[in-house]
Amino acid sequence: KNQVEQSPQSLIILEGKNCTLQCNYTVSPFSNLRWYKQDTGRGPVSLTIMTFSENTKSNGRYTATLDADTKQSSLHITASQLSDSASYICVAYTGGGNKLTFGTGTQLKVEL
Amino acid sequence: GAVVSQHPSWVICKSGTSVKIECRSLDFQATTMFWYRQFPKQSLMLMATSNEGSKATYEQGVEKDKFLINHASLTLSTLTVTSAHPEDSSFYICSAWTTANTGELFFGEGSRLTVL
Repeated sequence: KNQVEQSPQSLIILEGKNCTLQCNYTVSPFSNLRWYKQDTGRGPVSLTIMTFSENTKSNGRYTATLDADTKQSSLHITASQLSDSASYICVAYTGGGNKLTFGTGTQLKVEL
Repeated sequence: GAVVSQHPSWVICKSGTSVKIECRSLDFQATTMFWYRQFPKQSLMLMATSNEGSKATYEQGVEKDKFLINHASLTLSTLTVTSAHPEDSSFYICSAWTTANTGELFFGEGSRLTVL
């Protein structure tokens, strides 16, 4: 059964601090992994897409890593801002059959 | 970038009525669209996968007669909540899949349904 697990479930950090969100996936066949940011009451927005051959990809203050051997991915947020408060969702794409498996998300709150 | 438009963004209806939500891909053709439901502080729950010109595939536990999905064109899918009840109140989100590049999934802004 395809699964994507994210940790922590929720996280509170102070503005300016860094944080790392984790994603473990078990999907077959694996094609790529995506991170989305969802603000409250809005639709998710894509942050990064990583194929199995990519180890690191950055998008501004967001840096995603992928270890295809251990089937783990992380999303590192640098110098957090209040606007980073959102739900971060990890999604694994199997490729064949257009199958997407969603993680349950990490709820991040950045405080002053 | 590609845009997915969802309408209405919020709707309030009386119990027993039906509500239709539209999902449009504005600048690309989407052979596959997805519908999700999201409760407060929870992640997206996939309801169904909709392929243009064919019947939607519903996830286990989702009533197909309750949530009617139509994907009549490559740019439009609709979700109709029939005989809505207060427990159907939720945030409904659609997404559209394009096979360009490595494949990309674009989400709509969501529709907030409140059933009185």
